[in-house]
Amino acid sequence: KQEVTQIPAALSVPEGENLVLNCSFTDSAIYNLQWFRQDPGKGLTSLLLIQSSQREQTSGRLNASLDKSSGRSTLYIAASQPGDSATYLCAVQRDDKIIFGKGTRLHILP
Amino acid sequence: EAGVVQSPRYKIIEKKQPVAFWCNPISGHNTLYWYLQNLGQGPELLIRYENEEAVDDSQLPKDRFSAERLKGVDSTLKIQPAELGDSAVYLCASSFPGIGNEQFFGPGTRLTVL
Repeated sequence: KQEVTQIPAALSVPEGENLVLNCSFTDSAIYNLQWFRQDPGKGLTSLLLIQSSQREQTSGRLNASLDKSSGRSTLYIAASQPGDSATYLCAVQRDDKIIFGKGTRLHILP
Repeated sequence: EAGVVQSPRYKIIEKKQPVAFWCNPISGHNTLYWYLQNLGQGPELLIRYENEEAVDDSQLPKDRFSAERLKGVDSTLKIQPAELGDSAVYLCASSFPGIGNEQFFGPGTRLTVL
């Protein structure tokens, strides 16, 4: 059974710092991995999607990497801003199953 | 382009009452998902539609939950009767195969059962 773990559960960093969020999964046979952002009381916003044949994706200050063999993905946020404060979730998909982690609550200190 | 639309945004009902949620996916997206999200947890899939066919409803509590997507476009999720433990956020998402199956989410419906 696929399990997705996100560490840490919560993180506070000063504005301007670079940071890394981690996602690990137990079954490496995945179709894709997607990173989302969720603001309080809101739905999920797709940030980056990495297909199984890819190693990384970049969008602006965000970079996501995927290492299927080790069952890990990281989301790198450069030059963090207070507006980056949110919960970040990763989700892995295989066949018709989509499994989410519990998320990392990120707080950027002004 | 409009995103995934859900209504209502909030719903408060008493236990044992029925409730229904509506979702309109992004135009052209033939895959539609309903998720349940409890506080502090990631979303959990309830049901997935490919056009009008429910292809994965293994996590849907069928004794009280039902869903339909009659014309393969918008969808309704119903709970009857609602229980206290059903209080959660119900999220709808859609995707289009061929672009990595990237999912796009609606804002969700926050259900409170009293």
